[in-house]
Amino acid sequence: EIVLTQSPGTLSLSPGERATLSCRASQSVSSSYLAWFQQKPGQAPRLLIYGASSRATGIPDRFSGSGSGTDFTLTISRLESEDFAVYYCQQYGSSPRTFGQGTKVEI
Amino acid sequence: QVQLVQSGSELKKPGASVKVSCKASGYSFTTYAMNWVRQAPGQGLEWMGWISTNTGNPTYAQDFTGRFVFSLDTSVSTAYLQISSLRAEDTALYYCARAPHYLDYWGQGTLVTVSS
Repeated sequence: EIVLTQSPGTLSLSPGERATLSCRASQSVSSSYLAWFQQKPGQAPRLLIYGASSRATGIPDRFSGSGSGTDFTLTISRLESEDFAVYYCQQYGSSPRTFGQGTKVEI
Repeated sequence: QVQLVQSGSELKKPGASVKVSCKASGYSFTTYAMNWVRQAPGQGLEWMGWISTNTGNPTYAQDFTGRFVFSLDTSVSTAYLQISSLRAEDTALYYCARAPHYLDYWGQGTLVTVSS
């Protein structure tokens, strides 16, 4: 089973700042099958990034994903108020399709 | 537009069973697999497994074998999650999510509460 470790656990930032979230895998994620999700309180998760770096439909370009192998990053270039949420990574290259434990981005 | 609409909240006693539904619309149901994800109160996301909407073949994550069953009714474009012998620790939000490979569309979640 691939274990995904997200860091930091909590990121305290202000609107307009840059956020950098990390997702490290215990073994290589095949074909960069790594996705990022955003979850706000009381809502279902929303797909942001798939294939490590491809933005999902309707996702603003301030969100970007990068990385390969075991190290992946989600960057939010300039935080807006609606971006304060919990972010999860998930690998879907091998079964079980594990999630990271989440990073909370707070003001 | 693609929509996954799940059934409403359930309150069950320990030992009972529950069946959660996930009705798909806006796309061809048998084209994409359906996954199930659990979220315990205040916790992160746990992948439970998936079911092929083409063959009906389910795959379960290790922690979700035995009491958890995925099924389909393709005539009404609906996937189901049944949990038997409910325990307090099954209290959680359960999500269905469509998967070309990644989870691109999610249901709104169904809260299952297990309490005596």
